[in-house]
Amino acid sequence: SQQGEEDPQALSIQEGENATMNCSYKTSINNLQWYRQNSGRGLVHLILIRSNEREKHSGRLRVTLDTSKKSSSLLITASRAADTASYFCATDAGKAAGNKLTFGGGTRVLVKP
Amino acid sequence: SAVISQKPSRDICQRGTSLTIQCQVDSQVTMMFWYRQQPGQSLTLIATANQGSEATYESGFVIDKFPISRPNLTFSTLTVSNMSPEDSSIYLCSAIRDRGSDTQYFGPGTRLTVL
Repeated sequence: SQQGEEDPQALSIQEGENATMNCSYKTSINNLQWYRQNSGRGLVHLILIRSNEREKHSGRLRVTLDTSKKSSSLLITASRAADTASYFCATDAGKAAGNKLTFGGGTRVLVKP
Repeated sequence: SAVISQKPSRDICQRGTSLTIQCQVDSQVTMMFWYRQQPGQSLTLIATANQGSEATYESGFVIDKFPISRPNLTFSTLTVSNMSPEDSSIYLCSAIRDRGSDTQYFGPGTRLTVL
């Protein structure tokens, strides 16, 4: 079953604008990972943020984590048409739980040129 | 990052037949997993592929329907048995390298259509 919910389910923006998507989850986590999926292909790993971290950056990506609210956000700055994809968050409860990922429902992002 | 390949990349199969999907990782990994993504949906874990022993299945998935092998640290197979149209999905394998990182990398997926 899916632990996480993502919102919005879909997002349409103009090239150059920022895109923000949110992920909420229900149980304790060891880390949370964000992925991108283009047109039903494989998942590309974007960022892993651990439960003791609050913010991470990678290029134009910024991820925050609030464990007290059980939520995370992914910000894509200065979006490009190539950022058009579905974005998924996934929670990992750690080695004791088998490092299994539980995925959110995903956000479909359309960046218009 | 780990490089993961899957074969086949896609297939169209007849109802009642079986398909075996192969997953190869470029270096030794500790954990390997199989996920299913039904059309328009998110990913759901099928099972953890254990090296040299039976896979650990999630609720709703059984070995008779989804037999899994993992003969060594870099290779695993998933078989979708006695297929029905409801099995039409993308099947993805993933892997973790235990070097202090829990990052889980995914293969390109196998798109299965059952007629």
